[in-house]
Amino acid sequence: QSALTQPASVSGSPGQSITISCTGTSSDVGNYDLVSWYQQHPGKAPKLIIFEVSKRPSGVSNRFSASKSGNTASLTISGLQAEDEADYYCCSYAGTRTYVKFGGGTKLTVL
Amino acid sequence: QVQLQQSGPGLVKPSQTLSLTCAISGDSVFSNSAAWNWIRQSPSRGLEWLGRTYYKSKWYNDYAVSVKSRITITPDTSRNQFSLQLNSVAPEDTAVYYCAREGVAGHWYFDLWGRGTLVTVSS
Repeated sequence: QSALTQPASVSGSPGQSITISCTGTSSDVGNYDLVSWYQQHPGKAPKLIIFEVSKRPSGVSNRFSASKSGNTASLTISGLQAEDEADYYCCSYAGTRTYVKFGGGTKLTVL
Repeated sequence: QVQLQQSGPGLVKPSQTLSLTCAISGDSVFSNSAAWNWIRQSPSRGLEWLGRTYYKSKWYNDYAVSVKSRITITPDTSRNQFSLQLNSVAPEDTAVYYCAREGVAGHWYFDLWGRGTLVTVSS
């Protein structure tokens, strides 16, 4: 089972907005509203920033937002800050045989 | 404050068994809502979900197809922890292994992670 497809890297300047895409199929992203996003700084564990497509956990900045259209989910970070520089991963439920798929990760560079 | 504390060896020989434990504080392995997962991360395979255990009137397990023949995840109710055993390991099992809480079982998001344990498979 293939991983979800994310761009390898994105970049933006402080204050700008960026969007990271996560493309799956009708068997995963397109079929379930169970997409989540994680932020991972070097040497640290992933941190949940979005769950169930667009919900933010308590304590996560409202600069992080997300949506889904068809087989593609998207994470938008607005008002980029230096601390946002990290790797970002999407994740989707994929049914009772595969269960979970992760994206390959996107490295965000804040210029 | 809920925390997951991982423990276990960082070096395992090929063909042997990888064993890790995840101690839960601030929550219960018996939780009626959460599920307790193991996820690994390597440069070659990225993030890979391995399996989970959860309690809903009885204990359930789900495992990834890729490791199903080799994996066991077991709750330890007396110590409020859960463990991972992966048999017959090979160098490609080298990875950082994380335990993680699925906040609501069946919703498939991982809201709490352990710090990770780098496990190297080498003779």
